[in-house]
Amino acid sequence: ETGVTQTPRHLVMGMTNKKSLKCEQHLGHNAMYWYKQSAKKPLELMFVYSLEERVENNSVPSRFSPECPNSSHLFLHLHTLQPEDSALYLCASSQNRGEFYEQYFGPGTRLTVT
Amino acid sequence: AQSVAQPEDQVNVAEGNPLTVKCTYSVSGNPYLFWYVQYPNRGLQFLLKYITGDNLVKGSYGFEAEFNKSQTSFHLKKPSALVSDSALYFCAWSDYKLSFGAGTTVTVRA
Repeated sequence: ETGVTQTPRHLVMGMTNKKSLKCEQHLGHNAMYWYKQSAKKPLELMFVYSLEERVENNSVPSRFSPECPNSSHLFLHLHTLQPEDSALYLCASSQNRGEFYEQYFGPGTRLTVT
Repeated sequence: AQSVAQPEDQVNVAEGNPLTVKCTYSVSGNPYLFWYVQYPNRGLQFLLKYITGDNLVKGSYGFEAEFNKSQTSFHLKKPSALVSDSALYFCAWSDYKLSFGAGTTVTVRA
């Protein structure tokens, strides 16, 4: 256990559905991240939150909408997704946002868009 | 563009033999380098990092990595591999965000 939990672990949704992914960290960290891991592709950083403020958005389509209500929780709201959005979505946290802070990852949510 | 590269998609070793997973970097200035491991159906787990100082970095589960500035490498090593080390290994560099290599699948056969 890394201290970062994600729910649900698996999610199947149609292209017209709206769903949300949840991440919770129990480490007292100040920075949280969303990554997308697709087969045969490097991990893609999607969003970065530092002290509950979004500090990075890596050209992610608007059908993905993050929310960070407090330093322990991070959500990824999904709507009108495409089949190519099927992937493993990983949440991570670090003590602070900085070059030398390691990140701790949750187990991921396996998303399938039908 | 600044990046890390993992030249081997797969590494196969016998249990008890030394394990090396290669990583090279193309990063200006002082690189901050990391190794992570991902077991099947799990998230990534931090193994070790190089920030500055001693070129030999020791990490979790008996792994270590050597920072070599002249060869721009940061190879991950374990003296005696276990079957349980079979996993996907990622090298990464950091400039306020982590950028990962493509990953190397390690298979340790009994």
